[in-house]
Amino acid sequence: SQQGEEDPQALSIQEGENATMNCSYKTSINNLQWYRQNSGRGLVHLILIRSNEREKHSGRLRVTLDTSKKSSSLLITASRAADTASYFCATDALGGGSNYKLTFGKGTLLTVNP
Amino acid sequence: ETGVTQTPRHLVMGMTNKKSLKCEQHLGHNAMYWYKQSAKKPLELMFVYNFKEQTENNSVPSRFSPECPNSSHLFLHLHTLQPEDSALYLCASSQERATSGNTIYFGEGSWLTVV
Repeated sequence: SQQGEEDPQALSIQEGENATMNCSYKTSINNLQWYRQNSGRGLVHLILIRSNEREKHSGRLRVTLDTSKKSSSLLITASRAADTASYFCATDALGGGSNYKLTFGKGTLLTVNP
Repeated sequence: ETGVTQTPRHLVMGMTNKKSLKCEQHLGHNAMYWYKQSAKKPLELMFVYNFKEQTENNSVPSRFSPECPNSSHLFLHLHTLQPEDSALYLCASSQERATSGNTIYFGEGSWLTVV
């Protein structure tokens, strides 16, 4: 399966600390995306990193991609209570025929304590 | 506000009922999706529509029946559901059908409880 798997399943930190979440996947990808989901809400796109990129930044977010290890990490710096959410990685690889499939993992539940 | 609106947000239905979930996107996208999210499971892609045509059905039971009258609207018709169908149903859209690098925009979801 192409499905990404996030690690850890749950992470609890104090406000101001950094949070690191990891994603591993099994087969070659075109790109990898990170999404965030507040409890009971829809998913919101955070950042996309292409297979030929190694690192990408967006505000307090830093994403790395290591295609040799088939893994990615999402770092949130100086976390805030409002960052409390589930974070999902989604991998994009060639599916059946010419259809690209975006496949999501189970997510990491991040809790940032005030 | 993501540009994808789902109604109702919450639905409780009996196993013999017939109900529908509605999704509307205001983003001018051509592809629309239904996902199912159950506790402790990965997000499951159910159906994909591209330019109103169904392009993917991931072995979804026939008690779920999608309808896409135009590129902006997507319905999920529900009948004779089972309690295990209780989940958060997410509608999403993208510029085109899951083309590499496309961002998917999700609605807020419809919480379905089957009793």
